[in-house]
Amino acid sequence: AQRVTQPEKLLSVFKGAPVELKCNYSYSGSPELFWYVQYSRQRLQLLLRHISRESIKGFTADLNKGETSFHLKKPFAQEEDSAMYYCALSGGATNKLIFGTGTLLAVQP
Amino acid sequence: EAGVAQSPRYKIIEKRQSVAFWCNPISGHATLYWYQQILGQGPKLLIQFQNNGVVDDSQLPKDRFSAERLKGVDSTLKIQPAKLEDSAVYLCASSPEGTRRQETQYFGPGTRLLVL
Repeated sequence: AQRVTQPEKLLSVFKGAPVELKCNYSYSGSPELFWYVQYSRQRLQLLLRHISRESIKGFTADLNKGETSFHLKKPFAQEEDSAMYYCALSGGATNKLIFGTGTLLAVQP
Repeated sequence: EAGVAQSPRYKIIEKRQSVAFWCNPISGHATLYWYQQILGQGPKLLIQFQNNGVVDDSQLPKDRFSAERLKGVDSTLKIQPAKLEDSAVYLCASSPEGTRRQETQYFGPGTRLLVL
């Protein structure tokens, strides 16, 4: 079965500390992996996708097929990073997104 | 460019009543999605349209939910009759083509439904 697991509901860190939001997936094939973010009072939006191998707002994510993980990392958290983060995968012919349950990142001053 | 528009933003109804949500995707986007997001969970796809045809409705409770996209542009999602467990945020999203897995989906602000 296709599944995305985000084990942490809440991650609280201090400003300047490193951040790692965990994401594991289950998929029989080669999925596309994404991180979507929802800031307070804003709509859900794409943060980054694994195929682009890009760094957005200082965040990076590496796809580890052996561990079926796609953890989101940032070396130094900022208060404006506080938001809800969703890991998602897309597989099959229909571009259907399967989301995890999300992790709320709270960056304390 | 204008984003995905949804209305209403909030709706409160009693169980067994009917309700309809409207979505206008980004101009020119071929694919439109409706998601249901229950509190504490991630969005779950209900139905996906490619132009005015249904691509995936495998998780749509068809005994009470219906959706249409008659002219391949805007779309309505209806619930009739509503149940308590339908309380959720209903998100609409669109993407340019929908045929590539790397494609970005653009989300609307959502409609928050409360069924009493």
